[in-house]
Amino acid sequence: DSGVTQTPKHLITATGQRVTLRCSPRSGDLSVYWYQQSLDQGLQFLIHYYNGEERAKGNILERFSAQQFPDLHSELNLSSLELGDSALYFCASSGRVGHEQFFGPGTRLTVL
Amino acid sequence: GDSVTQMEGPVTLSEEAFLTINCTYTATGYPSLFWYVQYPGEGLQLLLKATKADDKGSNKGFEATYRKETTSFHLEKGSVQVSDSAVYFCAFNAGGTSYGKLTFGQGTILTVHP
Repeated sequence: DSGVTQTPKHLITATGQRVTLRCSPRSGDLSVYWYQQSLDQGLQFLIHYYNGEERAKGNILERFSAQQFPDLHSELNLSSLELGDSALYFCASSGRVGHEQFFGPGTRLTVL
Repeated sequence: GDSVTQMEGPVTLSEEAFLTINCTYTATGYPSLFWYVQYPGEGLQLLLKATKADDKGSNKGFEATYRKETTSFHLEKGSVQVSDSAVYFCAFNAGGTSYGKLTFGQGTILTVHP
């Protein structure tokens, strides 16, 4: 158990819909990262938040957004969903930027 | 740009065989290097890490040495077990403007037979 929690574990929705994925980092970790894992793209970095502020963006679509709240949990919002958004979405946290990241169990999103 | 190239799989071995999974990277600066493992149906777990040249990371019988001259971080284990069957990912954090982002290889599927 990494100490990072993600909910829900599975999510099935239809094209055009909007979903929210939630992540709670390890106790004391200020950094939260989001990654997408798909068969064709592999593991791709989406976005990094540190203590409530966005610090880096990767290959994140404009339809996707994230935020980190004062209690340090983070949410990834995916809107206008397309079939190609079906993937595993991982959240990770770290105590210091550049140090090892601890991953949650992931949320499997299926868009029908 | 930054990238990681991993040995293509799948890799199939018998129990107690020697394992090597090659990993080379392209990065600016002095990255920190990691190996993560993903067991079926689970998230990624950190297996080992190395933060500077010539460092050797080790854990659970796995080892990898940070070779700056060859930009490599090959994973080795002297005697694999059935329980080592998983997907292995090489990754690095380049620091600087990448600011914490991990860049991953495509993953190598390892299957160990009794």
